Amino acid sequence: QSVLTQPPSVSAAPGQKVTISCSGSSSNIGNNFVSWYQQFPGTAPKVLIYDNDNRPSGIPDRFSGSKSGTSATLGITGLQTGDEADYYCGTWDRSLSAGVFGGGTKLTVL
Amino acid sequence: EVQLVESGRGLVQPGGSLRLSCAASGFTFSRFWMSWVRQAPGKGLEWVANINQDGSEKYYVDSVKGRFTISRDNAKNSLYLQMNSLRAEDTAVYFCARGSMGSGTLDSWGQGALVTVSS
Repeated sequence: QSVLTQPPSVSAAPGQKVTISCSGSSSNIGNNFVSWYQQFPGTAPKVLIYDNDNRPSGIPDRFSGSKSGTSATLGITGLQTGDEADYYCGTWDRSLSAGVFGGGTKLTVL
Repeated sequence: EVQLVESGRGLVQPGGSLRLSCAASGFTFSRFWMSWVRQAPGKGLEWVANINQDGSEKYYVDSVKGRFTISRDNAKNSLYLQMNSLRAEDTAVYFCARGSMGSGTLDSWGQGALVTVSS
């Protein structure tokens, strides 16, 4: 059972928009920055969003992040088949003094 | 270009030990927190440990406390994870990553090293 809660899967058609939620608590999301990572099968994760809503250079603006209270959301617009991957939220938990990830969400572009 | 290359992968019996290394290049290693993250086969990401720039601060996930030790050698631009008393549930791909989830993000990752604990 992960400290952060994500839906196991989401799906949408090419060109559409999808959001992935990440729910936590005041000891983690509520008091720390959230990052989002994208992982394709057999490869290392890559950061998509850091500090809640910032994109590293090279990440398209189709990807966006937001945070409200103890929840965070990753948004992807203009879906492409190449976006099919696993997505993870992550942050620090002050009570655990440890990093924590969500369980991951598998995105299917139908 | 930032590069992180893990080594030390292998098969080890339960109760055994293994040391992973991560060679860093393309950035000033001594200026960054570093982390280890693992992923069991078919499972999600699990944060394992991190270490600050001079090695004076270290944090671990509860399941590895007392068994794993994270360390670094800034002169060699290298990060290490000493794993003792290994259990079957430690079987995973171990990723080295630059940064800390406590003070930012994990902005660069190695390709991962598979550790299999089995008799």
